[in-house]
Amino acid sequence: EPEVTQTPSHQVTQMGQEVILRCVPISNHLYFYWYRQILGQKVEFLVSFYNNEISEKSEIFDDQFSVERPDGSNFTLKIRSTKLEDSAMYFCASSAGTGGAGYEQYFGPGTRLTVT
Amino acid sequence: SQKIEQNSEALNIQEGKTATLTCNYTNYSPAYLQWYRQDPGRGPVFLLLIRENEKEKRKERLKVTFDTTLKQSLFHITASQPADSATYLCALEGSARQLTFGSGTQLTVLP
Repeated sequence: EPEVTQTPSHQVTQMGQEVILRCVPISNHLYFYWYRQILGQKVEFLVSFYNNEISEKSEIFDDQFSVERPDGSNFTLKIRSTKLEDSAMYFCASSAGTGGAGYEQYFGPGTRLTVT
Repeated sequence: SQKIEQNSEALNIQEGKTATLTCNYTNYSPAYLQWYRQDPGRGPVFLLLIRENEKEKRKERLKVTFDTTLKQSLFHITASQPADSATYLCALEGSARQLTFGSGTQLTVLP
């Protein structure tokens, strides 16, 4: 069964460093997302991406964050200058369909980011 | 702003019984509401989606209802099993398909 994959599973970085989290969405999906979950808290939406552009972003997704689909398979989240409060589990997700809403999202296993 | 509340942070039930989880929301009129399961350290897994014009949806032992007047969804697991123990998340879907999640209800099914 197709699945979303994410690498690395765990990333440790120092405050102020740049990190890139990588995701391979399900191959025939067109919508891609990043969410984060701080330990013990709820899953929070960061950004959605469709047709090679951001379709929606949350207040969390400030200028320090960026997303890219560098080729036909990868989808990345970059944090330019990490802060302690960026420590969280980051989930990539993808969904099918070509328009509108009402589609389930398939989540990856997550990347645990620890900023020291 | 949108607010989603899932009643009961934790729910313990006996194996074989029906678990009922509640999701209430305010300041929003979603066209779609989704339920996910999350196990510790794992990503959410999709369970059911219900549209605003649907009153009820079923899938095997799962049933979800959606009352747009009360702004509430109920999620039922019948004949519960210890393997159903997990955190269950309610999520409202926005126009750009972004999901706004509730805090979840941690269900424990006791053998």
